[in-house]
Amino acid sequence: KAGVTQTPRYLIKTRGQQVTLSCSPISGHRSVSWYQQTPGQGLQFLFEYFSETQRNKGNFPGRFSGRQFSNSRSEMNVSTLELGDSALYLCASSLEGGPQNYGYTFGSGTRLTVV
Amino acid sequence: GQQVMQIPQYQHVQEGEDFTTYCNSSTTLSNIQWYKQRPGGHPVFLIQLVKSGEVKKQKRLTFQFGEAKKNSSLHITATQTTDVGTYFCAGSNFGNEKLTFGTGTRLTIIP
Repeated sequence: KAGVTQTPRYLIKTRGQQVTLSCSPISGHRSVSWYQQTPGQGLQFLFEYFSETQRNKGNFPGRFSGRQFSNSRSEMNVSTLELGDSALYLCASSLEGGPQNYGYTFGSGTRLTVV
Repeated sequence: GQQVMQIPQYQHVQEGEDFTTYCNSSTTLSNIQWYKQRPGGHPVFLIQLVKSGEVKKQKRLTFQFGEAKKNSSLHITATQTTDVGTYFCAGSNFGNEKLTFGTGTRLTIIP
């Protein structure tokens, strides 16, 4: 079966712009989480969605937001981009019981560069 | 909040040598998971440990969960070039669905 699909793979944006990233989880996975990965900070948890509701949230500013649709697909949005937002954004899906019980399947990520 | 630290941050070994990475949590964990991320790739789930003192093996990889459920280790015997990558542990607390990832250990192999 298909894995976790993230689009686009690469993005270059200018400071102050906004960006929307998309994630399609594995069929049957209803939990979708987003992580930011940078060389200096490692894997930082952004948020988790389940059944179109945010179930958990990390410590990121309100410029970072997300949503989940009824088909479990998820999007995350970053407004007013800053240089420090340059990172690999990873989406991960899990079975209904959550990643703490079943682990994550990660997508290939979206590499965002802010210039 | 929960913190998960891994040591070492980097490890360079000769091919054929053993490798160990250690994961330490500031709080007691309900379970621990391990992931591997190849260079340029994304994290891939390896295993989950749940019981105190649990030991699991996958070929040359041995995973342990500490008796107090606050630490874990991954040991690779006789490393190969295919073992190159960053190894992350990830833990969750009881009653909290959020997984906290460790800082990772980057393994490089000298042929």
